[in-house]
Amino acid sequence: QKEVEQNSGPLSVPEGAIASLNCTYSDRGSQSFFWYRQYSGKSPELIMSIYSNGDKEDGRFTAQLNKASQYVSLLIRDSQPSDSATYLCAVNRNYQLIWGAGTKLIIKP
Amino acid sequence: GAVVSQHPSWVICKSGTSVKIECRSLDFQATTMFWYRQFPKQSLMLMATSNEGSKATYEQGVEKDKFLINHASLTLSTLTVTSAHPEDSSFYICSAPRLAGEPDTQYFGPGTRLTVL
Repeated sequence: QKEVEQNSGPLSVPEGAIASLNCTYSDRGSQSFFWYRQYSGKSPELIMSIYSNGDKEDGRFTAQLNKASQYVSLLIRDSQPSDSATYLCAVNRNYQLIWGAGTKLIIKP
Repeated sequence: GAVVSQHPSWVICKSGTSVKIECRSLDFQATTMFWYRQFPKQSLMLMATSNEGSKATYEQGVEKDKFLINHASLTLSTLTVTSAHPEDSSFYICSAPRLAGEPDTQYFGPGTRLTVL
């Protein structure tokens, strides 16, 4: 079992709809969780970090964390074509980031 | 905001040559920097943790003698791919946390695309 798992996609979502990205992790002791966006040929950029159970909202983005289920998700409201990218989930382990394989998101105009 | 730069952004070399990639933190000091490798359509793979003034910590399966890391100052870490071969062709990315031990203060360099012919 991989430490951080994501569906590789691609996930295709119509413009203006809500995109839902999911991630599960295996280490119950994990405390910090991150969502990064990576455009093709570019390095990752941080979108959201979340540390506590529940929802955290930042603009069109909402991160959700459920530690009991070892599950973290990212919702993107009012999806735009510019949101098309690969979204990487990362979990902090001993001050290093453990990465999921990423989900490719395609927003269809 | 904090910026991490990498140089070069891309490099093409012949098989058997060595290539040096620089990673610089431009407006903060980084006692630790991370080096990642990313193959097409795959996620980031941590290669090593670069520590200022001491030896780098390599991940399992990464050859220390092939991927030489030097963190000579608080703003510069270098990765040298020695005797490069086509299978070393990849996207190499460095990152540095502004605050040690705080991954969400981690800034990524723009990456270096290495192509070995």
